[in-house]
Amino acid sequence: DTAVSQTPKYLVTQMGNDKSIKCEQNLGHDTMYWYKQDSKKFLKIMFSYNNKELIINETVPNRFSPKSPDKAHLNLHINSLELGDSAVYFCASSQEKTSAGYSYEQYFGPGTRLTVT
Amino acid sequence: KNEVEQSPQNLTAQEGEFITINCSYSVGISALHWLQQHPGGGIVSLFMLSSGKKKHGRLIATINIQEKHSSLHITASHPRDSAVYICAAPSRGNEKLTFGTGTRLTIIP
Repeated sequence: DTAVSQTPKYLVTQMGNDKSIKCEQNLGHDTMYWYKQDSKKFLKIMFSYNNKELIINETVPNRFSPKSPDKAHLNLHINSLELGDSAVYFCASSQEKTSAGYSYEQYFGPGTRLTVT
Repeated sequence: KNEVEQSPQNLTAQEGEFITINCSYSVGISALHWLQQHPGGGIVSLFMLSSGKKKHGRLIATINIQEKHSSLHITASHPRDSAVYICAAPSRGNEKLTFGTGTRLTIIP
């Protein structure tokens, strides 16, 4: 069974379009993340949700809007796509950190390669 | 300057060699992650450690909290170990991971 799944795996679209990427985890985790990996393979956090609540929102354009309908799902909607949005987007999940601040291992989805033409 | 620095950026070695990848960080962390990204793009978490040493098969990860340094070692390297290895450090108090730039490892048969 896939632990963290993303759809679609590949997405090719034109500038100006609106698109969504979906993420689902069946691990029972409370925290989910979206990461962007640019052409130089550098990973950067975009958003993090804990129990459907936004807890990390990095400096990401307003065109990107995450939505968490329940704690097993975190979707990423992108409006007015631009050439610079072309990248691989990874979803991940982990257990909620402990009250002592102990982190848990993150499990990554397979990634969605977005190409904006 | 990135808060998480890795070295080397690229490493090519012969099959069987002992491999060391280093990671230095400047953020205060609760634990350090080592990730492996396969040539196909998938990312797998290898280790998460907050002190000492962890071993999984031929992979060993160590961390020195005082020196803010971690190493990933691979013993008896094999061509299937060829991948990009990434270290990542979460800031204290939240789960925001700051990633190193990765080390591209190529093991030649």
